[in-house]
Amino acid sequence: DTEVTQTPKHLVMGMTNKKSLKCEQHMGHRAMYWYKQKAKKPPELMFVYSYEKLSINESVPSRFSPECPNSSLLNLHLHALQPEDSALYLCASSQVGLQDQKLFFGSGTQLSVL
Amino acid sequence: QRVTQPEKLLSVFKGAPVELKCNYSYSGSPELFWYVQYSRQRLQLLLRHISRESIKGFTADLNKGETSFHLKKPFAQEEDSAMYYCALNTGGFKTIFGAGTRLFVKA
Repeated sequence: DTEVTQTPKHLVMGMTNKKSLKCEQHMGHRAMYWYKQKAKKPPELMFVYSYEKLSINESVPSRFSPECPNSSLLNLHLHALQPEDSALYLCASSQVGLQDQKLFFGSGTQLSVL
Repeated sequence: QRVTQPEKLLSVFKGAPVELKCNYSYSGSPELFWYVQYSRQRLQLLLRHISRESIKGFTADLNKGETSFHLKKPFAQEEDSAMYYCALNTGGFKTIFGAGTRLFVKA
């Protein structure tokens, strides 16, 4: 299995809702990432987990809460989001320790905050 | 650390050569990539400078003097139409993406 799977594909939520995005990979990668991509913009790094530990947090607001329950799963918990948080959220994974960090991306979750 | 792709849109005719420009700013030893996103498909790696490979007829050479990593193909095909992102990894887990160039290959 050489894919990164993200669910759901689409999500509409109100500003008072709590929801979660899920990501799964079975390639044995020990680094997993969350990226945010606004329309017609490049992906922007949000979080990185390495060996299930948070390695990078790019000053993301606390209304986004990542979780890595095991080496194959990555979640992004959402609470009290703002309309400007509407975007495509991409999960990615990679091996750790190689000279070049080749990223494998999921198809993304298109999030709309009303 | 920055990646610059000066062209938002590049339109060429089928069979014509194509060059997508990428310049980077980084004082260390860069790891550079080209990622591609075809319509309705996920973002995927096209090629990386370290492997010096040719994928789907595309090549890219790292020029440290000009801090460039331009993507080239001698004869564009319609199926090459996509969004192309140049990306820079500065070591560790941070990969910075350029703004992207949309390539449109006309029949």
